[in-house]
Parts: sequence; C-alpha cells; structure tokens
Amino acid sequence: EVQLVESGGGLVKPGGSLRLSCAASGFTFSSYSMNWVRQAPGKGLEWVSSISSSSSYIYYADSVKGRFTISRDDAKKSLYLQMKSLRAEDTAVYYCARTHQAGDYLSSLDYWGQGTLVTVSS
Amino acid sequence: DIQMTQSPSTLSASVGDRVTITCRASQSISSWLAWYQQKPGKAPNLLIYKASSLESGVPSSFSGSGSGTEFTLTISSLQPDDFATYYCQQYHTYPFTFGPGTKVDIK
Repeated sequence: EVQLVESGGGLVKPGGSLRLSCAASGFTFSSYSMNWVRQAPGKGLEWVSSISSSSSYIYYADSVKGRFTISRDDAKKSLYLQMKSLRAEDTAVYYCARTHQAGDYLSSLDYWGQGTLVTVSS
Repeated sequence: DIQMTQSPSTLSASVGDRVTITCRASQSISSWLAWYQQKPGKAPNLLIYKASSLESGVPSSFSGSGSGTEFTLTISSLQPDDFATYYCQQYHTYPFTFGPGTKVDIK
C-alpha cells in the first residue's frame, strides 16, 4: 500500500525557517517524481514544487522561488522541503504528492499524504 | 502561466442528480488535465487523469471529457459521498496550476 506521511510542520515566526519531510512507503520511491502542494486555510490548492526522479528536474512556484528548496533522499525514501524567510502568506497545510506515472515529471498526482500544517505568525 | 477557471463555483444538487462541472484553461493543454475530489480536512483524491481516464477505484459514475481549453467533469448520479469540492489541474506545463474549485453541496 502506497503511503506518504508528512512531518515537520508547526508554528514559526515571520522570517523563520522550517523543514518539512515526507516519508514514502509501498512503492519504488526512486522511480517517481514527487511534489509539494499547499492549501491555505479555507482556500484552494496551490502547487509549490516538484522534483523528478534522480533530481534531474526541479521546479518551483514563483511565490516560493528563492526561499524554498525541494530535495529527496532515495535511500531514505524521503522527500523534503526546506523553507526559509517564511511569510504569513505561507501559512497552509502542505501536502506531498506522488506523480501518477513513474519516470514522468509531467503527470497528475495520484497519492497524497495527510498534510502538515505550517503556521507563520508572530 | 496557464490560468485555470472553473464554473460554477458552487453547485447545489440532490442525490441522484446529474452534475456537470466545467474547467477552462487560458491556453491549450491538450488532454493534460486531472480532476480531484476533496472533502473537508482530507487530502485531495485523484478522480480523472488525461482528461477522460478514470483512476483505478473511482466509481464509474464519474467521467471526464474535453481537450484543448475546455473540459468537463460529470457525475452521472450524485451519491451522498460525492458532496465535496472538486478541482481541475493542468499538468501540460510548469508551473502546475489548479482551478479555484467547485463546491457541490446538498440542495
């Protein structure tokens, strides 16, 4: 069974940093591109970042470019999102999600974690 | 960036109704469109990919159609479990973009 479990969320002050993790199981993690998607309270879904298998391709939303860094450790079957210079508008539930097609970084998102809440507030 | 719009934003319907949600892209995305269902406090669930392909395990009452810039999600007979918010998403080009969502609630 495919499982994605996020962790690392919490309350952080504006300008602070946080590192999110996503532990994957039940599939060959190294073969899939992975993604972070966020959802501000009461709002819609916003794609944040994607990383291809083998980390060859990395993409960011303009809203986080230069502040967030996506990475992966295939040996640990884990995905990460390092977040710096956090702003109030970064407050959201952050989901990690797997791309639907192995080896394809342009794909729908078929498995999602339960999400981890990041709150940026003084 | 490719902008996605959805209509309506809210839809009130009854159990057994046929429901159609429309999603439009600001430029052609071929068939690179997905539909997701999200219930309060839960992660989104993939329903349809490549505009019309039904994800495994999703009831056949859900169907998708369209290509280019206009797409529809149809629920042939609304069930109690289908009351939720639905999002379309394009994956033709980065950045991936989602529609604003359509909330289907009980009439």
